[in-house]
Amino acid sequence: EVQLVQSGAEVKKPGESLKISCKGSGHSLNIYWIGWVRQMPGKGLEWMGIIYPSDSDTKYNPSFQGQVTISADKSINTAYLQWSSLKASDTAIYYCARLARSSGRYGGADVWGQGTTVTVSS
Amino acid sequence: IQLTQSPSSLSAFVGDRVTITCRASQGISSYLAWYQQKPGKAPKLLIYAASTLQSGVPSRFSGSGSGTDFTLTISSLQPEDFGTYYCQQLYSHPLTFGQGTRLEIK
Repeated sequence: EVQLVQSGAEVKKPGESLKISCKGSGHSLNIYWIGWVRQMPGKGLEWMGIIYPSDSDTKYNPSFQGQVTISADKSINTAYLQWSSLKASDTAIYYCARLARSSGRYGGADVWGQGTTVTVSS
Repeated sequence: IQLTQSPSSLSAFVGDRVTITCRASQGISSYLAWYQQKPGKAPKLLIYAASTLQSGVPSRFSGSGSGTDFTLTISSLQPEDFGTYYCQQLYSHPLTFGQGTRLEIK
C-alpha cells in the first residue's frame, strides 16, 4: 500500500528545536515532490513549502521562509520539517503530502501522511 | 495567488445538489485541485486539473472552471459528504489553499 508515514506527536517548550519526519512506504519519493501543510487548531490548511527528494530542490512559502527548514534523505525515502527555536504559535498539526509534477506543473496532492501534532507550551 | 471560497459554510439535505465556488486572484488556467477533510483526518484529494476525478472518488463529485473561477459540485448529497472542502491552486508557488467551506448535513 502506498503511504506516507509521519513521526509521532511531540510536546516541546518554547525555544526548543524539533525535526519531524515523513517516510514513504510502498513507493519511492524520488519521483514525487513532498509538500508540507500546517493546520493550526480549528483553522484551515496553510501551504508551507515543497521539496523534490531526488535533488533536494526546495521551494518555501515566503510566510514560512526562515521559520522552518525542509529537507530530505532520498536514501531512506524520507522528508523532514524542522524548527531551530519553537514558539507557542507553532502549535499545530503538520501534514506531508505527495505531488506529481508533469510539464512543469503539479497535480493534486494524492497521498497524505496521517499528520504530526506539535504542541509548544511552557 | 489568493483563493476565495464561497460560501464559508453551508447546510443541505441528503439528495440536494451542492455547489462550492473558488475564485483565484489571477488566472491559473486549470491548475486547481479540490480536497475534502473530515474532522481529525488528513485531507483527501477529490478533483485535480479543475475537472478530473481522482481514482476512487464517487462520480457525484464534479469540478469545472478555468482561469479564475471554479466550481465543485456534489450532484446528490450523501450523509458521508460532511466535512470541510478546500481548493488549492497548483499554478505557481506558493501553492495556496482557499479558506475552506464547511458542509453540514441537515
